[in-house]
Parts: sequence; structure tokens; C-alpha cells
Amino acid sequence: EDKVVQSPLSLVVHEGDTVTLNCSYEVTNFRSLLWYKQEKKAPTFLFMLTSSGIEKKSGRLSSILDKKELFSILNITATQTGDSAIYLCAVEGASGTYKYIFGTGTRLKVLA
Amino acid sequence: DAGITQSPRHKVTETGTPVTLRCHQTENHRYMYWYRQDPGHGLRLIHYSYGVKDTDKGEVSDGYSVSRSKTEDFLLTLESATSSQTSVYFCAIRGQGLSTDTQYFGPGTRLTVL
Repeated sequence: EDKVVQSPLSLVVHEGDTVTLNCSYEVTNFRSLLWYKQEKKAPTFLFMLTSSGIEKKSGRLSSILDKKELFSILNITATQTGDSAIYLCAVEGASGTYKYIFGTGTRLKVLA
Repeated sequence: DAGITQSPRHKVTETGTPVTLRCHQTENHRYMYWYRQDPGHGLRLIHYSYGVKDTDKGEVSDGYSVSRSKTEDFLLTLESATSSQTSVYFCAIRGQGLSTDTQYFGPGTRLTVL
């Protein structure tokens, strides 16, 4: 059965800290891995990763995929209170139907 | 914003009543999805559609049906609502990302079944 596991489930840090969020997966015919940020509303898209070893970067956020070891990490440097959110990882399997499997998310709280 | 709206945004209903949630998109995307989100479970796929009149079940489809008679509208129906269907429901589309397709979400519908 396909699955996506995120760790840790929750995390509390202070402003300025660096955090690493993990996403491991077991999916038939992997196509892509997506990261989302969810505050008190709909998830918003951060990154899509399809190739191993290529870092995607946006400001203080970056992500990388390891297709051999079946995981991805999301790094946030110099955290701010506005980074407080649930971070979701989703994996798309290429079964022809383009379905996405989500992890349960990591809840990040950044303290001032 | 991928041109996705959901209606209603909030609804309170009684157990046993039918409920229909609507997802509307303006950009002619082929793939549309309905998820529910509950604490501790993340986002779980209910049903999805890969074209007009083409739909299939997701992992939590029991008690739900869908219809897609037009490209722009994807309806989710709870045939006889139960308290276990109290949840936040998100519609999503598979749209054109910067380099390839990715998934974008509507604003969500909060449903409470009393």
C-alpha cells in the first residue's frame, strides 16, 4: 500500500533557528513530490520535486529529493513567526490517474 | 489562486440529511479532486475526476458520491450525512505549474453534521 510519512509530527523552535522537516514515501511508480504550507486555510504550494539531488530554493526555504532512499527534506533557515504552519508532503504516483497521497503533516510553531 | 471556488464555505446540517458541496474552476483543468482534512489524518482523497462524467473513488469514498457534468463543476454529495463526516472539505485541481503539472487547492468548506 502506498504511503507517505512525515516527521516530526510537531516542532517548536525560536525565531532564528533552522529546521529540517522530513518526508519519506513508498509509492508505486513515483512521479513527483510536493511540499505545501498550510496556515488556517487551504494548503499553498511551495515546491515540486521530480529529480534526485536537485535543490529547489525559495528565499529561506529549500527542499531536496533522494529517490534512491525515498525521502525528501524541507529546510527553513532563520525561522520567523510567520513560518508557523502545518507543512504537508504529498507524492504523486504515475499510475495514469494522477492521484496524490498526503502525509499527516508537520506542525511547526516558531516562538518570538 | 488557480481560479477555484467552493460553495458553501460553511455549513451546519442535521444527521441524515443530504448535502451537496460545489467546486467551480475557471481555467478548464481536466483533473479535479475532493479531499477531507481531519486532525491526525492529513488530507485524504474522497473522489477524483479525470474528465466530464469520468470519476473514480479515492481512499475514503464510502458515504460520498460525485458528479461532473461540466468541466468547470465538480459536485460532492453526502447522501445521508453522519457526524463522522464533520470535516473540512477541500477541492483541488491539477494545473499547470512552472514547469509541469502540480496540484492547487480551493479555499475549503467547513461542514458540521449535528
